[in-house]
Amino acid sequence: DGGITQSPKYLFRKEGQNVTLSCEQNLNHDAMYWYRQDPGQGLRLIYYSQIVNDFQKGDIAEGYSVSREKKESFPLTVTSAQKNPTAFYLCASTDGNTDTQYFGPGTRLTVL
Amino acid sequence: QKEVEQNSGPLSVPEGAIASLNCTYSDRGSQSFFWYRQYSGKSPELIMSIYSNGDKEDGRFTAQLNKASQYVSLLIRDSQPSDSATYLCAVNIPGGSNYKLTFGKGTLLTVNP
Repeated sequence: DGGITQSPKYLFRKEGQNVTLSCEQNLNHDAMYWYRQDPGQGLRLIYYSQIVNDFQKGDIAEGYSVSREKKESFPLTVTSAQKNPTAFYLCASTDGNTDTQYFGPGTRLTVL
Repeated sequence: QKEVEQNSGPLSVPEGAIASLNCTYSDRGSQSFFWYRQYSGKSPELIMSIYSNGDKEDGRFTAQLNKASQYVSLLIRDSQPSDSATYLCAVNIPGGSNYKLTFGKGTLLTVNP
């Protein structure tokens, strides 16, 4: 099956800890994205990558970091510098032929 | 700031009625438009994409695009309780990265049995 996988589904973090969220796709898409969604809010772009070894900051990149060493993988690290990290994190990738974005199932991060 | 605006709702319709969801966007250069459905606690799933002025139909769903007026709408015919969800409008950002989308905050639709 082609698709986007994210792990873990739920993640709990103590204050001061860094955590890494996994995102893998087997759709052969070049572009990948990380969004954050808070209750009752829209999607806010954290980082995106159009090609391996390259990525750009989105609207709310502070306190987050990413890497893109492989086409299939785009992990997101939530650092201790992120003041309010509790949220629903969504990974997506784009079909370059249609501009269509497809989403993974999401990771719900809770800071204890 | 490129913007996509949607009524937050909630929009409540009876089962079997037509639900009409609207979206306006600010950038006249936008070329790609999408509607996603998001159930509570789940990730968005694509319902429709539309690229040209006019209507595009897919089953009970019809997307309508009017680039001159900068709005895109989604009609859901014969609404079912299973259609109850938040509907997100997304529009591409022209220039720079061709793959960036801006999302509206979504409209919550409730279909009452």
